[in-house]
Amino acid sequence: DQQVKQNSPSLSVQEGRISILNCDYTNSMFDYFLWYKKYPAEGPTFLISISSIKDKNEDGRFTVFLNKSAKHLSLHIVPSQPGDSAVYFCAASSPGGSEKLVFGKGTKLTVNP
Amino acid sequence: KAGVTQTPRYLIKTRGQQVTLSCSPISGHRSVSWYQQTPGQGLQFLFEYFSETQRNKGNFPGRFSGRQFSNSRSEMNVSTLELGDSALYLCASSLGTKRLAKNIQYFGAGTRLSVL
Repeated sequence: DQQVKQNSPSLSVQEGRISILNCDYTNSMFDYFLWYKKYPAEGPTFLISISSIKDKNEDGRFTVFLNKSAKHLSLHIVPSQPGDSAVYFCAASSPGGSEKLVFGKGTKLTVNP
Repeated sequence: KAGVTQTPRYLIKTRGQQVTLSCSPISGHRSVSWYQQTPGQGLQFLFEYFSETQRNKGNFPGRFSGRQFSNSRSEMNVSTLELGDSALYLCASSLGTKRLAKNIQYFGAGTRLSVL
């Protein structure tokens, strides 16, 4: 039972344009959502997060939007740069003491110069 | 501040053997979580340790075990290796405090295990 889904395995955009990566979840208990970026041969790197009490969080070129009623979140990257090419993972956590994250399977973003 | 360190980076084992992977968390972090990444399943949670106690466990067989030491360093052990255990094993650390602030997990580079 996949609780966090990233339905697009890959996305290709032109440099300077907007990249939009999507993520859906099924568990309404999730209260915190994170995006990680992963380059080959490296571990995931934290990008940005959002609490379920918010609907938007910005950090520089990265903005995450949360639509709780639709159980959907998206990551916007504006403007996209070739260095943004990587696999992006959406992750979610539930309330409580555990740090467990539930991950989507990732979307491979390619930004073309 | 040093990041999360995992050793070794690469391992080759044969079926039936056992393996131990090591993780040194970021200084001051008390929670260590382990994840398995495979092409088909993505990142899957194995277990989490906090203050030397297992706080949560994923849906993996008992061949997968772990422990945490008083300095927060953690080890993961897989016994009786199977071909399907070939994967990237990632360790992540965080403060682990109970929601004083949302805790972000920081990942190591992983250990690539190949079972032949």
